[in-house]
Amino acid sequence: DAGITQSPRHKVTETGTPVTLRCHQTENHRYMYWYRQDPGHGLRLIHYSYGVKDTDKGEVSDGYSVSRSKTEDFLLTLESATSSQTSVYFCASWTGRLTEAFFGQGTRLTVV
Amino acid sequence: ELKVEQNPLFLSMQEGKNYTIYCNYSTTSDRLYWYRQDPGKSLESLFVLLSNGAVKQEGRLMASLDTKARLSTLHITAAVHDLSATYFCAGDNNNDMRFGAGTRLTVKP
Repeated sequence: DAGITQSPRHKVTETGTPVTLRCHQTENHRYMYWYRQDPGHGLRLIHYSYGVKDTDKGEVSDGYSVSRSKTEDFLLTLESATSSQTSVYFCASWTGRLTEAFFGQGTRLTVV
Repeated sequence: ELKVEQNPLFLSMQEGKNYTIYCNYSTTSDRLYWYRQDPGKSLESLFVLLSNGAVKQEGRLMASLDTKARLSTLHITAAVHDLSATYFCAGDNNNDMRFGAGTRLTVKP
């Protein structure tokens, strides 16, 4: 399995506070993704990265920002968390070639 | 923007029966993926389909791809309880990877 880890695995935070989730991969994959998973919606793409400092928005990017200063790390920041951002967040990494993407174990974020 | 739709969203099957999950996508997809997710777990890759007419099989699961119809299917043969999970299809257009809403499969004895 690809080495991809997310931290923290669980977090409870208060409305209005900033939150940063970290995704770390050891496979030297070019592409990295952040998704949120909510009942009835499957996985929705928040942001993705196609290289160091190269990122693009997904379908639900409002309220989120990302940064990728190193190939192995992709950070997701909620500048001011809201209750609607309570979700399970998954990170994925991918070579961009003829294989599948690999997923982290997920981060359960609760905004109270 | 690529949109991916799956149906059904919920599927309850009896052991031993066959069924098919459908995945339609809206625009050109460079590849088509199927993943499995168990409750509280991450996603596990099942299949990657790369070209029109591609068919892949693993145990009781078989996936196919028709790029002209923008349709992929996941066929379940003689279902067993261990197949109970949520199944996702996903496509990617220029490395922008999008998922369907998932099909929650329950296999009952």
